[in-house]
Amino acid sequence: DIQVTQSPSSLSASVGDRVTITCRASQGIAQSLAWLQQKPGKVPNLLIYAASTLQSGAPSRFSGSGSGTDFTLTISSLQPEDVATYYCLSYYGGPRTFGQGTKVEI
Amino acid sequence: EVQLVESGGGLVQPGDSLKLSCATSGFTFSRHSMSWVRQAPGKGPEWVADIIHDGSHEYYVDSVKGRFTISRDNGKASLYLQMNSLRAEDSAIYYCVKDWIGGSMPLFDYWGQGARVTVPS
Repeated sequence: DIQVTQSPSSLSASVGDRVTITCRASQGIAQSLAWLQQKPGKVPNLLIYAASTLQSGAPSRFSGSGSGTDFTLTISSLQPEDVATYYCLSYYGGPRTFGQGTKVEI
Repeated sequence: EVQLVESGGGLVQPGDSLKLSCATSGFTFSRHSMSWVRQAPGKGPEWVADIIHDGSHEYYVDSVKGRFTISRDNGKASLYLQMNSLRAEDSAIYYCVKDWIGGSMPLFDYWGQGARVTVPS
């Protein structure tokens, strides 16, 4: 099965900073990767799918890149409402795999 | 409006069985794969199982293989999860999730409200 390693596990940044989160798959998954944001007490919210496609309604400061085994989620200018935990999700083939999560704080 | 509504959660003893149901509306259920995802308190989400649109293939996380069975009824736009031989480590909120239709299309974009399953140790 495909394993997904996400880093860092947590980060603290200032408002307006550029923030980068990475996800590495144990084997090539083409662009079958999504990024979700979860705020406390809420279900995860889809931000990015197909590695780089911004979900309808997601703020444009979020972007995704990568293919194969290495992927990146970038927040171009961190905002207070971006405090959350972010998860990558591999969906190559049948099984799905979540990354371990990155907790983003201000 | 897309809706996914889970039911069937509860408190059960180790070794017991439970069946979760998910009634859906607002999208073409029969064209989408569907997933169950669980989340234990303070932990990240864990994908549990998925079933492709016509029910011909199912996939499971290793920890539930042989104990859980995912199924669907496209006529009723409903998803199910039969859980047998439940363990304490299966305790979590279980979510029904709209999965992939294929191509460059979104997935995991709609989640149910969750069904709580508690198995005491």
